[in-house]
Amino acid sequence: SQQGEEDPQALSIQEGENATMNCSYKTSINNLQWYRQNSGRGLVHLILIRSNEREKHSGRLRVTLDTSKKSSSLLITASRAADTASYFCATDGAEGAQKLVFGQGTRLTINP
Amino acid sequence: DAGITQSPRHKVTETGTPVTLRCHQTENHRYMYWYRQDPGHGLRLIHYSYGVKDTDKGEVSDGYSVSRSKTEDFLLTLESATSSQTSVYFCAISVEGVGTQYFGPGTRLLVL
Repeated sequence: SQQGEEDPQALSIQEGENATMNCSYKTSINNLQWYRQNSGRGLVHLILIRSNEREKHSGRLRVTLDTSKKSSSLLITASRAADTASYFCATDGAEGAQKLVFGQGTRLTINP
Repeated sequence: DAGITQSPRHKVTETGTPVTLRCHQTENHRYMYWYRQDPGHGLRLIHYSYGVKDTDKGEVSDGYSVSRSKTEDFLLTLESATSSQTSVYFCAISVEGVGTQYFGPGTRLLVL
């Protein structure tokens, strides 16, 4: 069963707009991570947020974590065509930081 | 890409034949993983390894076996391939402690 569930499943926006993706999970976590996957490629790690953090920034990425609601969001600001990809959240849990469970992903399309 | 390679990158095989996929890393990471990715299911863990000759099952391990005789190589074997095992297979390594994973480029397997 999936620990993380992304919402929406697909998102299409215009270049320059902001994109927000959400992730919900079911059990207690130590860390939550976001990954990007370009078509036909392996996943690439974007950012990790620990359970005791509420917000984290990395360049144009902003991640929030609400452990009371078991949810996280990924905001990409000033989107570019190169941001077109699938985005996955991944959580650890009872089995420790070395074993992640991935959601089904959000497919983001940036239109020029 | 954390020095992760997968071979072969593409394979077409027939039902009932054995298939072995290879994952090779160059950075001596202890943890290695095999995932499969299918539309509608995201990334699902097949098996993982936490050291030479130390492996454990993941979410979808039926029909798959693994071996790790050297730190750098993690092999995934489909003993008797079935059409349901048509998928894209990703290998990953994990940075110990933090849990961030780095992925190989993937192997596309088609079982006819």
